Amino acid sequence: DTEVTQTPKHLVMGMTNKKSLKCEQHMGHRAMYWYKQKAKKPPELMFVYSYEKLSINESVPSRFSPECPNSSLLNLHLHALQPEDSALYLCASSQDPRRHYEQYFGPGTRLTVT
Amino acid sequence: QKEVEQNSGPLSVPEGAIASLNCTYSDRGSQSFFWYRQYSGKSPELIMSIYSNGDKEDGRFTAQLNKASQYVSLLIRDSQPSDSATYLCAVKTGGFKTIFGAGTRLFVKA
Repeated sequence: DTEVTQTPKHLVMGMTNKKSLKCEQHMGHRAMYWYKQKAKKPPELMFVYSYEKLSINESVPSRFSPECPNSSLLNLHLHALQPEDSALYLCASSQDPRRHYEQYFGPGTRLTVT
Repeated sequence: QKEVEQNSGPLSVPEGAIASLNCTYSDRGSQSFFWYRQYSGKSPELIMSIYSNGDKEDGRFTAQLNKASQYVSLLIRDSQPSDSATYLCAVKTGGFKTIFGAGTRLFVKA
């Protein structure tokens, strides 16, 4: 089973709202990732968690706040977003971030900021 | 120079033909290479991984790796209209990151 789940599938929020995206995997993977993808562009790495610790923050604005409550869950808290933040937000996981395992993606959350 | 380069396409092939997708990468220390398929509006789906020089076959898909030339390719035999998608080449170097190419759009004409 290589399933990564994400909720919600779609989210519309205003620029003053606070919302959260959720990601879950039960494959025992110890690395989890957030990516942002705009139309006709490749996924753009935002954050990497390795063994529940934040390992990479790709200079993401503070209006995006990641959280890894445990090895199966990953959240992305959103606050005061801009319309240009509208995109497909993808969560991924891999077995061990230090080794060369594949990443498996969730279905994504389509975010629209109005 | 981009770290992972792909021809953006579109690549158009007739049904039943072989589709050949190519990718070059700049970091000689890269160890792992992946091909993802992404349908419009959907998330990337892993279809192949390859770690050593040579060919790796899985059904209609064959991945080819040449580390000396820093080149990886994906062949799709007996292409079907359902193969029409964007194919992303991804390369993992020594760190936590996987670098994605911009993707090649493939159209298979019935």
